[in-house]
Amino acid sequence: EPEVTQTPSHQVTQMGQEVILRCVPISNHLYFYWYRQILGQKVEFLVSFYNNEISEKSEIFDDQFSVERPDGSNFTLKIRSTKLEDSAMYFCASTGTGNYGYTFGSGTRLTVV
Amino acid sequence: RKEVEQDPGPFNVPEGATVAFNCTYSNSASQSFFWYRQDCRKEPKLLMSVYSSGNEDGRFTAQLNRASQYISLLIRDSKLSDSATYLCVVGGGSYIPTFGRGTSLIVHP
Repeated sequence: EPEVTQTPSHQVTQMGQEVILRCVPISNHLYFYWYRQILGQKVEFLVSFYNNEISEKSEIFDDQFSVERPDGSNFTLKIRSTKLEDSAMYFCASTGTGNYGYTFGSGTRLTVV
Repeated sequence: RKEVEQDPGPFNVPEGATVAFNCTYSNSASQSFFWYRQDCRKEPKLLMSVYSSGNEDGRFTAQLNRASQYISLLIRDSKLSDSATYLCVVGGGSYIPTFGRGTSLIVHP
């Protein structure tokens, strides 16, 4: 069964450092998403990406965040200057049309110290 | 942003019980509906899509009520392994999939 792959599985970084979270969506999917989940809280939308550009972003996705699809397979989320409150599980997801559900990667646990 | 609401629970039921979860959504233009399961510290995994006519997958039955804007999930003959958080997700196409907070289910012996 096709999978969404995320790396690394866990990243610890110092406050103020830049981090890049990587995702390889399912190859024939068209829509890509980043979500985050702070421990014990709900899954929150960050950004969606379609046709090589951001299609929508939430208020969480401020100037510290950026996304890229540098080649045909990778989809990255960059946090420029991490804050303690950025500590969360970050999930990448992709879908073909959205009518058959969204496939999530296993997540990257980001810990900012 | 349009909201998706769920009773957070927890629902604490014995093995073999039948349990039902509801989820309401505010965006009447929503087109696709799903139930996901999330185990502790894991990613959400698709449990089942929810179709207009209702659908069943083994012990799981999902229903959609567009008029009242809610979806439901019924689990029959609960197993210990059903213990998890059940997430209602509303979206479809280019719409942003919006998650409910999740309903926690604990099945005990």
